[in-house]
Amino acid sequence: KQEVTQIPAALSVPEGENLVLNCSFTDSAIYNLQWFRQDPGKGLTSLLLIQSSQREQTSGRLNASLDKSSGRSTLYIAASQPGDSATYLCAVSLSYNTDKLIFGTGTRLQVFP
Amino acid sequence: EAQVTQNPRYLITVTGKKLTVTCSQNMNHEYMSWYRQDPGLGLRQIYYSMNVEVTDKGDVPEGYKVSRKEKRNFPLILESPSPNQTSLYFCASSTGMQNNEQFFGPGTRLTVL
Repeated sequence: KQEVTQIPAALSVPEGENLVLNCSFTDSAIYNLQWFRQDPGKGLTSLLLIQSSQREQTSGRLNASLDKSSGRSTLYIAASQPGDSATYLCAVSLSYNTDKLIFGTGTRLQVFP
Repeated sequence: EAQVTQNPRYLITVTGKKLTVTCSQNMNHEYMSWYRQDPGLGLRQIYYSMNVEVTDKGDVPEGYKVSRKEKRNFPLILESPSPNQTSLYFCASSTGMQNNEQFFGPGTRLTVL
């Protein structure tokens, strides 16, 4: 059974720091991995999607990497800003049911001025 | 604007009173699903639908029903709500094709007394 773990559960950093969020999964037979952002009381916003054949994806200050063989993904946020404060979720889709997502429990990030 | 909408956004009800949470998407997506989010458990899939009139159980289907009579709509029905169904519910949709990025609605916070 696929399990997704995110470490740390919470993170508080000063503005301007570069930071790394970690995601690990137990079964390497994934179709893709997606990173989401969730703001309090709001829905999920897709940040980056990495196909299983890819190693990384970049969008602005965000860079996500995928090492399928070791069951790990990282989300790198450069030059963090207070507006980055949110909960970040990673989710994997399964190779045999490509639209079902298995979610981690998230990392709650606070960036203070 | 491409989006997934849910109604209502907030609902407080009592045990046993049937309710329906609506979900609609305007992206002509084949695949739609429902998730519930609970503290410490993350998001878990309740039901999904791969096309009109095709639905199947996710990981936590007990106490829920769904229907997919039209491509754009995927309502979640609680025939006899119980307090353990108090949760934050999300509807999601995707193309069901290779780059199956998932799009999420804003969420419905349900409290069952």
